[in-house]
Amino acid sequence: AQSVTQPDIHITVSEGASLELRCNYSYGATPYLFWYVQSPGQGLQLLLKYFSGDTLVQGIKGFEAEFKRSQSSFNLRKPSVHWSDAAEYFCAVGVRSGGGADGLTFGKGTHLIIQP
Amino acid sequence: NAGVTQTPKFQVLKTGQSMTLQCAQDMNHEYMSWYRQDPGMGLRLIHYSVGAGITDQGEVPNGYNVSRSTTEDFPLRLLSAAPSQTSVYFCASNRLQGATTGELFFGEGSRLTVL
Repeated sequence: AQSVTQPDIHITVSEGASLELRCNYSYGATPYLFWYVQSPGQGLQLLLKYFSGDTLVQGIKGFEAEFKRSQSSFNLRKPSVHWSDAAEYFCAVGVRSGGGADGLTFGKGTHLIIQP
Repeated sequence: NAGVTQTPKFQVLKTGQSMTLQCAQDMNHEYMSWYRQDPGMGLRLIHYSVGAGITDQGEVPNGYNVSRSTTEDFPLRLLSAAPSQTSVYFCASNRLQGATTGELFFGEGSRLTVL
């Protein structure tokens, strides 16, 4: 079965500084990879996804992520964070299912705090 | 453009009571699912459905029932609520692209407290 590890439970970054959130996955084949963001009291919103092709993917709100097969990683980055980026971030992996959808497996999340 | 709609947003139950969390989507998505979110646990899949009349268990199905009589609706039933079911529940859907898994569209969540 697939699994996702987000090593950092909390990260604090100063406004305007760069950001990298780590995500490692475990799966026997090439997975589908996602980053979602959850603002307080809200549902999850998709930031970006990787299915195939270019390993550097661009998402909404200025985020990007890079798929590194050799490291089983899909880290999320942003060059300059804004106070509005404070939220919970979830990495997720989906399997390539031959017979239907098996849902996504989520990491436990990283809580991002932005310091003024 | 409603997307995925969950009701109620908040609910308090007593142990042993039953209730149904409603989920409806207006995007004609074949795939619908229920997750629960607990602090430090991320989201865990409870049940999912790939179309009307088809449901299957996820990672944590015990204590929950689902049915899928229409494409639009996917209710989650708690037959006898327990304090361990205190959680935030999310319904999510997507359009199946062949046999692959696409992005999920989430509702805003239903916060359930079982006393």
